[in-house]
Amino acid sequence: SYALTQPPSVSVAPGETARITCGGYDIGSKRVHWYQQRPGQAPLLVMYYDSDRPSGIPERFSTSNSGTMATLTISRVEVEDEADYHCHVWDSNNGHSFGGGTRLTVL
Amino acid sequence: QVQLQESGPGLVKPSETLSLICTVSGDSISSYYWSWLRQSVGRGLEWIGRFYTGNTKFNPSLKSRVNMSVDTSQKQFSLKLSSVTAADTAVYYCARGIVGRTSIYFDSWGQGKLVTVSS
Repeated sequence: SYALTQPPSVSVAPGETARITCGGYDIGSKRVHWYQQRPGQAPLLVMYYDSDRPSGIPERFSTSNSGTMATLTISRVEVEDEADYHCHVWDSNNGHSFGGGTRLTVL
Repeated sequence: QVQLQESGPGLVKPSETLSLICTVSGDSISSYYWSWLRQSVGRGLEWIGRFYTGNTKFNPSLKSRVNMSVDTSQKQFSLKLSSVTAADTAVYYCARGIVGRTSIYFDSWGQGKLVTVSS
């Protein structure tokens, strides 16, 4: 399996920028997908193939991926962004791998 | 827009078989990558297995206990997990995967079904 490491929690004030990291060996060579999961709800795809956004996802969501770290950046954070965020990688050797999830708290 | 809905018992006894069905609406069930995933309380997501192009593939850690099948006429796919223990207590999700040139991601999810393993 392929290990992905996320911080358990990140806190920001409304209007600030949140950065949620996902660490993995040579993750920069892989395609990373991100999901938002509000309490009691199913995961929702917010970014795929590193930097593509599904329709309906605000441009405030962006990503970067290089070396051993991928990052989901949420600009101008709103209260509605409060949720758990999961990173996801698939490759032919390891199959599907998920990070442990990061709880974003909007103070 | 595709919608997925899990159904099945919410309580299973230890050593018995967990059985869930996912019903797909709003799109064809053919030609897609259908998966089951689960999430234990306070833990991350775990991929269980998939049905794609007539074949199944499972998480190696669960492979000996898992089976999946598809009924295209009913637009349903199912999960069976045998010899369950308390460690299998989780919210189980069905999801549709999109297969690209270099990766696979899940663009649609069911609402999830909490399954508790307890006597």
